[in-house]
Formats: sequence, structure tokens, C-alpha cells
Amino acid sequence: QQQVKQSPQSLIVQKGGIPIINCAYENTAFDYFPWYQQFPGKGPALLIAIRPDVSEKKEGRFTISFNKSAKQFSLHIMDSQPGDSATYFCAAATGGANNLFFGTGTRLTVIP
Amino acid sequence: DAGITQSPRHKVTETGTPVTLRCHQTENHRYMYWYRQDPGHGLRLIHYSYGVKDTDKGEVSDGYSVSRSKTEDFLLTLESATSSQTSVYFCAISGQSIEQYFGPGTRLTVT
Repeated sequence: QQQVKQSPQSLIVQKGGIPIINCAYENTAFDYFPWYQQFPGKGPALLIAIRPDVSEKKEGRFTISFNKSAKQFSLHIMDSQPGDSATYFCAAATGGANNLFFGTGTRLTVIP
Repeated sequence: DAGITQSPRHKVTETGTPVTLRCHQTENHRYMYWYRQDPGHGLRLIHYSYGVKDTDKGEVSDGYSVSRSKTEDFLLTLESATSSQTSVYFCAISGQSIEQYFGPGTRLTVT
């Protein structure tokens, strides 16, 4: 059973658009929510992460929005660029544990 | 890739043969992990280590064993490879913080 559900599977946007990727979870013990970016043939790279004590976190053009009551979190990419084309994974973990539970991934394509 | 190397990067093997994948880190991090990545499943934890000779099972540990005799090396062994173990395998490390950093991966094909 998938502990973290991610949608959509794939996403195509025009350059400058704002793709949004959504994730949902059930385990209320999760308190660490990272996002990873993966290019073909490479390992996942940590992009940004959030704890549930804040509702939003921004790093450059990447923003995580977190809704604790709905048990949902999302990644927004502002002013998207063709170089952002990659697969994005959300994940969740409990703070004291080391087991990251990943979503199934979203393949993003940004068209020039 | 955060001072992590994996070897081999690609391997083709036959069903029933033993296979060992190696992860080497230069960061002196305490925690090391093995994940497998499959379409439709994302990444799933196989085993992890919290110190030399200290390991524990993850979500999909059946058919895999691990060993860690030195801080810098974490080995994943498939005792008798099966076609269902065809996958891309990633090693990850973490230190004092919870953040995990991934290696470049090993693509394993079991025929």
C-alpha cells in the first residue's frame, strides 16, 4: 500500500507556467516532507523539504505548500524553465526514523 | 552526488546467480540506505544501516541481505537473483540531520 499518493503522473506546461504537483498521506506521525528532483540516468537530488509547523516554504522558484488538516502537500515551480524538465518525487518520514516513503513520481515536461 | 559512488553502474546477470552491489561514501555519514526504484512504485527502502555492523530491514527486504564492515562501505547482496529483482538500485546517506542524499544508481537486469 502506497503510504504517499502523488499526482499527476505526468505534466506538460509551457515555459513560464506554474506546474503544481500534489501529494497526500494518511499517517499522522509523518513530520518531515521532502521533495526530490531526478534527471534521467541520475540519482534523486534533494530539492526542498518542510516540517508540519509551517504552511509554506520557498527556496528560489520552488515552493512547498502544506495543509496539515487535509494531510496534503504540494510543490509549485514558479516561472518554469525547460531545464526543470525532470521527474519529481514527494516523500514523507517520521522525524526519528530513517525510512523515507516516496510517492510514485511526476514526470514534468516544460515546453520552450 | 554528495560523495557517494556505486559499483557497478550496470550489471546483467542470470536468474539464480548471486550479485553484490557496493556503495562507497566519503562523507563519514552514520546512516546508509539501499533503495530500489521501479516504475509505478517510486523508491522503496530495502535495508538501512545506522552504524558499522548495525543494519535493519526496510519495506522490501525479502531476497536481499546487507553488510557494513566499514563506515564508508555498504554492500547489498542478492543471494539468488530473480527476474523480479530487475530494477535500478540507489544508495543514500545521511548524517546528523534527516536529509538523505542519493548516489548515481546501479541498473541491474536479471535474465
